[in-house]
Amino acid sequence: NAGVTQTPKFRVLKTGQSMTLLCAQDMNHEYMYWYRQDPGMGLRLIHYSVGEGTTAKGEVPDGYNVSRLKKQNFLLGLESAAPSQTSVYFCASSAEAGGSFQETQYFGPGTRLLVL
Amino acid sequence: GQNIDQPTEMTATEGAIVQINCTYQTSGFNGLFWYQQHAGEAPTFLSYNVLDGLEEKGRFSSFLSRSKGYSYLLLKELQMKDSASYLCAVRDPNYGGSQGNLIFGKGTKLSVKP
Repeated sequence: NAGVTQTPKFRVLKTGQSMTLLCAQDMNHEYMYWYRQDPGMGLRLIHYSVGEGTTAKGEVPDGYNVSRLKKQNFLLGLESAAPSQTSVYFCASSAEAGGSFQETQYFGPGTRLLVL
Repeated sequence: GQNIDQPTEMTATEGAIVQINCTYQTSGFNGLFWYQQHAGEAPTFLSYNVLDGLEEKGRFSSFLSRSKGYSYLLLKELQMKDSASYLCAVRDPNYGGSQGNLIFGKGTKLSVKP
């Protein structure tokens, strides 16, 4: 049981290049999330998904797109990278809350992205 | 607006007790979480409060007062491995998602010294 995995772990891009970050979870979770973490800013939600085939915008969605074609995968795309997108990106997943609100989010190990 | 405040940094001595405070102002409330994050690693779940009072889990306890918009994380018998950032997060049902997405504070970096 690997939990939440992210690919790649580290990437350097030039301004204007595109890339896709992959998140995979093997816990059969309904909900998946993409966050970015910057020094002094805390974790900020980019996009999230409440189930296969559905996505929604979070707090800072501009410059990013996402897709959830399979329940276990959540992809984050940068179409034209900018230096402001230099950050650490975390994917997370959680089970459907149902009758319990206690369901926490489980985080992947992170992807460190540097845009030059 | 939505706001979650925590101290930026704290220092404590091995074996001591430390309390990390979190105050929040959100449009709705559906639970408060504490996460631990070691440098260069992912956040991991520590505790959850939805009702007022104290929740105890070994060396860690978390307290919530919904009327005051206040929580604290209490760490007892501090160990060197407790050096990490501690993130306070509030689930706000008005912030999207089914039960509400999490709004995170900026985190408190705790340094434990011998």
